[in-house]
Amino acid sequence: QQQVKQSPQSLIVQKGGIPIINCAYENTAFDYFPWYQQFPGKGPALLIAIRPDVSEKKEGRFTISFNKSAKQFSLHIMDSQPGDSATYFCAASRDNQGGKLIFGQGTELSVKP
Amino acid sequence: NAGVTQTPKFRVLKTGQSMTLLCAQDMNHEYMYWYRQDPGMGLRLIHYSVGEGTTAKGEVPDGYNVSRLKKQNFLLGLESAAPSQTSVYFCASTPGGGLVSYGYTFGSGTRLTVV
Repeated sequence: QQQVKQSPQSLIVQKGGIPIINCAYENTAFDYFPWYQQFPGKGPALLIAIRPDVSEKKEGRFTISFNKSAKQFSLHIMDSQPGDSATYFCAASRDNQGGKLIFGQGTELSVKP
Repeated sequence: NAGVTQTPKFRVLKTGQSMTLLCAQDMNHEYMYWYRQDPGMGLRLIHYSVGEGTTAKGEVPDGYNVSRLKKQNFLLGLESAAPSQTSVYFCASTPGGGLVSYGYTFGSGTRLTVV
């Protein structure tokens, strides 16, 4: 079963656009929601994360919006750049469960110059 | 540089052959993980360890075994490789201690093809 569902699978935007990637989760016990960024040939790297006690978190051009009642969260990339072209994964986890992350399916983002 | 090192980076196996993937971290992290990455499937947890001498099954453990004899090393074994195990394998580690907020440090992956 897929506990974290991510969409879209791929996304193409022009430079300066605002790509939005969405994730939905099923387990209401999850209490940590990170986003990872992966460049070709590399391992994923932590980008930004949020806990459900806040509805939004910003770090530079990256923003997570969190809707606890809908069990959804999303990543927004402001003023996107060609260097943001990568695969993005959302994930979910719980404290005291061995640190296991459940990942979404991934979104391949392409930012055109 | 400190981090997670995976060996080998690439490997081609014949069906039925066995191999071991090695993951080594030098950050004194307690928790370690093995994931596989397949197109459209994201990253799926195979096995994980919350400390030296401990291992546990993840989401897709069948056909794999693991060992964590030393804190810094986490080995993933394939006893009899099958074409369905063709994938990119990632090792990750995190400090542990109950909270998940530290984030994972991933290795650069092992691309395995089983023919």
